[in-house]
Amino acid sequence: AQSVAQPEDQVNVAEGNPLTVKCTYSVSGNPYLFWYVQYPNRGLQFLLKYITGDNLVKGSYGFEAEFNKSQTSFHLKKPSALVSDSALYFCAVRGTGFQKLVFGTGTRLLVSP
Amino acid sequence: DGGITQSPKYLFRKEGQNVTLSCEQNLNHDAMYWYRQDPGQGLRLIYYSQIVNDFQKGDIAEGYSVSREKKESFPLTVTSAQKNPTAFYLCASSVDRGKEQYFGPGTRLTVT
Repeated sequence: AQSVAQPEDQVNVAEGNPLTVKCTYSVSGNPYLFWYVQYPNRGLQFLLKYITGDNLVKGSYGFEAEFNKSQTSFHLKKPSALVSDSALYFCAVRGTGFQKLVFGTGTRLLVSP
Repeated sequence: DGGITQSPKYLFRKEGQNVTLSCEQNLNHDAMYWYRQDPGQGLRLIYYSQIVNDFQKGDIAEGYSVSREKKESFPLTVTSAQKNPTAFYLCASSVDRGKEQYFGPGTRLTVT
């Protein structure tokens, strides 16, 4: 069965500092991995995806994510956090073939001025 | 201006009433999805449709129904059989079942 774990309910970081939001997954076959961001009372916005290729994926708003097959992880990163990055972040995974997209429970990122 | 629209943004109903949530997309996407979001539980799949006139149950389909008569539209009906309908409902679409999904702004349903 597919599963996604976001081990931190909340991540706190000061503006200008690097941020990391963690995600680990379990899936049969090769993983298709996604990150989404959600602002209050809004829908999810797609940030980036890993399908194949380079382990470091670059996405929207300066975010990037690193795929690590041996650790089954896909952590979201940004070199310098902004207060406006404060939001709820979701990691999602699906396996090969048609399998549904499974979402993690989300990590709230709080960037302080 | 391409995208996914959901209406209304807020919806209030009395217990025992059926209610239909609208989802429209002009992205020419084949696949459409309905999710339910509850605090601390992430997103749970209710129904999905890969093509017109075809749809499948997701993980929590009981008490819900859908139709897909047009490519652009995928309305969700929350029936009186749904035990705990108060939630934030999100509609999404994708080019096909394997690609990233794009989400609408959501409808917050409150049933009292």
